[in-house]
Amino acid sequence: QSALTQPRSVSGSPGQSVTISCTGTSSDVGGYNYVSWYQQHPGKGPKLIIYDVSKRPSGVPDRFSGSKSGNTASLTISGLQAEDESDYYCSSYAGTYTFVVFGGGTKLTVL
Amino acid sequence: QVQLQESGPGLVKPSETLSLTCAVSGYSISSGYSWGWIRQPPGRGLEWIATISHSGSTYYNPSLKSRVTISVDTSKNQFSLKVSSVTVADTAVYYCARRSDGAYSDYWGQGTLVTVSS
Repeated sequence: QSALTQPRSVSGSPGQSVTISCTGTSSDVGGYNYVSWYQQHPGKGPKLIIYDVSKRPSGVPDRFSGSKSGNTASLTISGLQAEDESDYYCSSYAGTYTFVVFGGGTKLTVL
Repeated sequence: QVQLQESGPGLVKPSETLSLTCAVSGYSISSGYSWGWIRQPPGRGLEWIATISHSGSTYYNPSLKSRVTISVDTSKNQFSLKVSSVTVADTAVYYCARRSDGAYSDYWGQGTLVTVSS
Protein backbone atom coordinates (compact mmCIF):
# COMPACT_ATOMS: atom_id res chain seq x y z
CA GLN A 1 0.00 0.00 0.00
CA SER A 2 1.37 3.36 -1.07
CA ALA A 3 1.90 6.16 1.41
CA LEU A 4 -0.08 8.67 -0.68
CA THR A 5 -3.59 7.88 -1.90
CA GLN A 6 -4.59 8.51 -5.50
CA PRO A 7 -7.68 7.38 -7.42
CA ARG A 8 -6.92 4.30 -9.50
CA SER A 9 -8.37 5.87 -12.63
CA VAL A 10 -9.93 9.02 -14.04
CA SER A 11 -11.25 9.82 -17.47
CA GLY A 12 -12.32 12.76 -19.59
CA SER A 13 -13.12 13.75 -23.13
CA PRO A 14 -10.84 15.81 -25.34
CA GLY A 15 -11.02 19.48 -24.39
CA GLN A 16 -12.37 18.80 -20.91
CA SER A 17 -10.55 19.20 -17.61
CA VAL A 18 -9.73 16.48 -15.11
CA THR A 19 -8.33 16.65 -11.60
CA ILE A 20 -6.31 13.94 -9.87
CA SER A 21 -6.10 14.04 -6.10
CA CYS A 22 -3.24 12.92 -3.89
CA THR A 23 -3.99 12.54 -0.20
CA GLY A 24 -1.32 12.19 2.45
CA THR A 25 -0.84 13.34 6.00
CA SER A 26 0.60 16.26 7.93
CA SER A 27 3.92 14.40 7.87
CA ASP A 28 4.24 14.60 4.12
CA VAL A 29 1.87 16.48 1.79
CA GLY A 30 0.48 18.72 4.51
CA GLY A 31 3.81 19.43 6.14
CA TYR A 32 5.88 20.61 3.21
CA ASN A 33 5.42 22.47 -0.07
CA TYR A 34 7.39 19.75 -1.82
CA VAL A 35 4.77 17.89 -3.83
CA SER A 36 5.71 16.77 -7.31
CA TRP A 37 3.84 15.04 -10.12
CA TYR A 38 5.12 12.67 -12.79
CA GLN A 39 3.67 11.47 -16.07
CA GLN A 40 4.56 7.96 -17.21
CA HIS A 41 3.62 6.53 -20.57
CA PRO A 42 3.64 2.73 -20.98
CA GLY A 43 7.15 1.33 -21.14
CA LYS A 44 8.73 4.71 -20.46
CA GLY A 45 10.37 6.33 -17.47
CA PRO A 46 8.58 8.98 -15.40
CA LYS A 47 8.64 12.59 -16.57
CA LEU A 48 8.45 15.47 -14.10
CA ILE A 49 5.49 17.74 -14.86
CA ILE A 50 4.93 19.63 -11.59
CA TYR A 51 7.29 20.37 -8.69
CA ASP A 52 7.07 22.34 -5.46
CA VAL A 53 3.25 21.92 -5.55
CA SER A 54 2.54 24.18 -8.51
CA LYS A 55 5.68 24.92 -10.55
CA ARG A 56 6.10 23.63 -14.10
CA PRO A 57 9.45 22.62 -15.57
CA SER A 58 10.42 24.23 -18.83
CA GLY A 59 8.60 22.64 -21.74
CA VAL A 60 5.58 21.40 -19.80
CA PRO A 61 2.38 22.93 -21.21
CA ASP A 62 0.46 25.33 -18.97
CA ARG A 63 -2.52 22.98 -19.33
CA PHE A 64 -0.95 21.16 -16.40
CA SER A 65 -1.35 22.83 -13.02
CA GLY A 66 -0.88 21.81 -9.41
CA SER A 67 -2.29 22.92 -6.08
CA LYS A 68 -2.52 21.85 -2.47
CA SER A 69 -5.00 22.22 0.35
CA GLY A 70 -4.18 20.73 3.71
CA ASN A 71 -3.07 17.13 3.30
CA THR A 72 -4.36 16.82 -0.28
CA ALA A 73 -2.56 17.87 -3.43
CA SER A 74 -4.19 18.03 -6.84
CA LEU A 75 -3.10 17.89 -10.45
CA THR A 76 -5.44 19.49 -12.96
CA ILE A 77 -5.12 18.92 -16.69
CA SER A 78 -7.21 21.29 -18.75
CA GLY A 79 -7.95 21.08 -22.45
CA LEU A 80 -7.40 17.33 -22.46
CA GLN A 81 -5.55 15.93 -25.44
CA ALA A 82 -5.16 12.35 -26.61
CA GLU A 83 -1.47 12.36 -25.71
CA ASP A 84 -2.32 13.10 -22.08
CA GLU A 85 -3.53 9.51 -21.71
CA SER A 86 -0.97 8.13 -19.29
CA ASP A 87 -0.26 7.14 -15.71
CA TYR A 88 0.28 9.96 -13.21
CA TYR A 89 2.10 9.70 -9.90
CA CYS A 90 2.32 12.17 -7.06
CA SER A 91 5.24 12.35 -4.66
CA SER A 92 6.07 14.28 -1.52
CA TYR A 93 8.98 14.97 0.75
CA ALA A 94 8.29 13.30 4.09
CA GLY A 95 11.02 14.43 6.43
CA THR A 96 14.57 13.32 7.06
CA TYR A 97 13.63 9.74 8.05
CA THR A 98 11.00 8.63 5.53
CA PHE A 99 12.31 11.16 3.03
CA VAL A 100 10.25 10.48 -0.12
CA VAL A 101 6.85 8.90 -0.62
CA PHE A 102 4.87 8.19 -3.77
CA GLY A 103 1.23 7.72 -4.57
CA GLY A 104 -0.02 4.51 -6.11
CA GLY A 105 -0.60 6.13 -9.48
CA THR A 106 -3.67 7.16 -11.48
CA LYS A 107 -4.47 6.00 -14.97
CA LEU A 108 -5.92 8.79 -17.09
CA THR A 109 -8.07 7.71 -20.01
CA VAL A 110 -8.97 10.22 -22.70
CA LEU A 111 -12.30 9.07 -24.06
CA GLN B 1 21.80 18.02 -21.29
CA VAL B 2 21.90 15.81 -18.21
CA GLN B 3 21.63 12.11 -18.99
CA LEU B 4 21.56 9.09 -16.71
CA GLN B 5 22.05 5.46 -17.76
CA GLU B 6 21.53 2.43 -15.56
CA SER B 7 23.55 -0.75 -16.02
CA GLY B 8 23.76 -4.10 -14.30
CA PRO B 9 22.67 -7.75 -14.50
CA GLY B 10 19.12 -8.33 -15.65
CA LEU B 11 18.81 -11.58 -13.71
CA VAL B 12 19.74 -12.21 -10.08
CA LYS B 13 19.23 -15.38 -8.05
CA PRO B 14 17.27 -15.31 -4.78
CA SER B 15 19.41 -14.58 -1.70
CA GLU B 16 22.13 -12.97 -3.82
CA THR B 17 23.05 -9.28 -4.08
CA LEU B 18 21.67 -7.02 -6.80
CA SER B 19 24.19 -4.43 -8.01
CA LEU B 20 23.39 -1.53 -10.32
CA THR B 21 25.35 1.47 -11.55
CA CYS B 22 24.11 4.79 -12.89
CA ALA B 23 26.44 6.69 -15.20
CA VAL B 24 25.82 10.43 -15.33
CA SER B 25 26.76 12.65 -18.27
CA GLY B 26 26.27 16.36 -18.82
CA TYR B 27 26.71 17.21 -15.15
CA SER B 28 29.36 16.58 -12.51
CA ILE B 29 27.94 14.66 -9.55
CA SER B 30 30.33 16.43 -7.19
CA SER B 31 28.96 19.83 -8.21
CA GLY B 32 25.69 19.49 -6.37
CA TYR B 33 22.22 17.96 -6.24
CA SER B 34 21.42 14.55 -4.83
CA TRP B 35 21.22 11.26 -6.68
CA GLY B 36 18.91 8.36 -6.08
CA TRP B 37 17.23 5.12 -7.01
CA ILE B 38 13.53 4.40 -7.47
CA ARG B 39 12.00 1.10 -8.52
CA GLN B 40 8.73 -0.06 -10.06
CA PRO B 41 7.57 -3.68 -9.80
CA PRO B 42 5.81 -4.91 -12.96
CA GLY B 43 2.34 -3.37 -13.23
CA ARG B 44 2.72 -1.46 -9.98
CA GLY B 45 3.65 1.98 -8.69
CA LEU B 46 6.89 3.75 -7.91
CA GLU B 47 8.87 3.08 -4.74
CA TRP B 48 11.73 5.27 -3.55
CA ILE B 49 14.77 3.23 -2.50
CA ALA B 50 17.66 5.52 -1.56
CA THR B 51 19.28 8.90 -2.13
CA ILE B 52 22.84 10.17 -1.72
CA SER B 53 23.79 13.85 -1.63
CA HIS B 54 26.77 15.28 -3.47
CA SER B 55 28.46 15.54 -0.07
CA GLY B 56 27.90 11.85 0.66
CA SER B 57 24.95 11.94 3.05
CA THR B 58 22.71 8.92 2.54
CA TYR B 59 18.98 8.41 3.00
CA TYR B 60 17.20 5.07 2.80
CA ASN B 61 13.62 3.85 2.58
CA PRO B 62 13.03 2.54 6.11
CA SER B 63 11.47 -0.65 4.75
CA LEU B 64 14.60 -1.47 2.73
CA LYS B 65 17.32 0.11 4.83
CA SER B 66 18.74 -3.11 6.26
CA ARG B 67 19.44 -4.50 2.76
CA VAL B 68 20.38 -1.44 0.71
CA THR B 69 23.59 0.51 0.16
CA ILE B 70 23.98 3.55 -2.08
CA SER B 71 27.39 4.96 -2.95
CA VAL B 72 28.97 7.45 -5.31
CA ASP B 73 32.19 7.37 -7.36
CA THR B 74 32.96 10.95 -8.31
CA SER B 75 36.03 9.93 -10.32
CA LYS B 76 33.78 8.01 -12.71
CA ASN B 77 30.83 10.39 -12.31
CA GLN B 78 28.53 7.54 -11.36
CA PHE B 79 26.64 6.20 -8.39
CA SER B 80 25.64 2.69 -7.43
CA LEU B 81 23.04 0.62 -5.61
CA LYS B 82 23.37 -2.70 -3.85
CA VAL B 83 20.42 -4.69 -2.55
CA SER B 84 21.33 -7.79 -0.57
CA SER B 85 19.38 -10.98 0.12
CA VAL B 86 17.01 -10.38 -2.79
CA THR B 87 13.71 -12.20 -3.21
CA VAL B 88 11.19 -12.32 -6.03
CA ALA B 89 9.59 -9.23 -4.46
CA ASP B 90 12.65 -7.25 -5.55
CA THR B 91 11.84 -7.89 -9.22
CA ALA B 92 11.28 -4.46 -10.73
CA VAL B 93 12.39 -1.83 -13.19
CA TYR B 94 15.07 0.16 -11.39
CA TYR B 95 15.46 3.84 -12.23
CA CYS B 96 18.24 6.21 -11.27
CA ALA B 97 17.44 9.90 -11.04
CA ARG B 98 18.77 13.31 -10.07
CA ARG B 99 17.03 14.84 -7.07
CA SER B 100 16.68 18.55 -6.46
CA ASP B 101 16.32 20.30 -3.09
CA GLY B 102 12.56 20.19 -3.31
CA ALA B 103 12.66 16.40 -3.26
CA TYR B 104 11.63 16.09 -6.88
CA SER B 105 13.54 14.18 -9.52
CA ASP B 106 14.06 16.19 -12.67
CA TYR B 107 16.21 13.80 -14.72
CA TRP B 108 15.65 10.05 -14.91
CA GLY B 109 17.39 7.13 -16.54
CA GLN B 110 15.44 4.92 -18.93
CA GLY B 111 15.23 2.18 -16.32
CA THR B 112 16.56 -1.36 -16.23
CA LEU B 113 14.53 -4.48 -15.50
CA VAL B 114 15.97 -6.73 -12.83
CA THR B 115 14.36 -10.13 -12.42
CA VAL B 116 14.97 -12.22 -9.32
CA SER B 117 14.64 -15.87 -10.23
CA SER B 118 16.48 -19.13 -9.78
